[in-house]
Amino acid sequence: DSGVTQTPKHLITATGQRVTLRCSPRSGDLSVYWYQQSLDQGLQFLIQYYNGEERAKGNILERFSAQQFPDLHSELNLSSLELGDSALYFCASSVAKGGGNYNEQFFGPGTRLTVL
Amino acid sequence: AQSVTQPDIHITVSEGASLELRCNYSYGATPYLFWYVQSPGQGLQLLLKYFSGDTLVQGIKGFEAEFKRSQSSFNLRKPSVHWSDAAEYFCAVAAPSNFGNEKLTFGTGTRLTIIP
Repeated sequence: DSGVTQTPKHLITATGQRVTLRCSPRSGDLSVYWYQQSLDQGLQFLIQYYNGEERAKGNILERFSAQQFPDLHSELNLSSLELGDSALYFCASSVAKGGGNYNEQFFGPGTRLTVL
Repeated sequence: AQSVTQPDIHITVSEGASLELRCNYSYGATPYLFWYVQSPGQGLQLLLKYFSGDTLVQGIKGFEAEFKRSQSSFNLRKPSVHWSDAAEYFCAVAAPSNFGNEKLTFGTGTRLTIIP
């Protein structure tokens, strides 16, 4: 158990709908990352938040958005869903102390999204 | 931008035999290097990492990896595999920065099957 929790574990929805995925980081971790794992794109970085602010952006579609709340949990919002959005969405967290030291990212178990 | 190549999509090994999983990266300098394992239905677990120093790094579960700058490689090895090692293995890189916690860029993964 990494200490990172994600809800829900599974989500089945229809095209055109909107869903929200939730991530609670490990206690004390300030940084949250979202990754998408799909059959055609592999594992790719979507977005990173640090202490409530967006830190880095990857291959995240405009239909997707995220935020990190004052209690440090994060939500990934996916709208106007398409069949191709079906994937496993991982959240990871890290202390992100900076100072040139790399701190390990701990991954949650993921949310499997199926768009029908 | 950095990239990672894992040339072997699927490898089958007999239990007790040795294992080597290949990973090549593309980056202008020496990146941070990682190997993660993903068991079915599970999240990603860090096996080992390389930041600098000794080019042979030891990880969990009896795995080791060797960084070879001249070949831009970071191959994962295990002297004797166990049936429980059957999983998907991902090589990943991150670009060093002053902040210290950059995104991970993953390879496409190698699925390891163990036969009795």
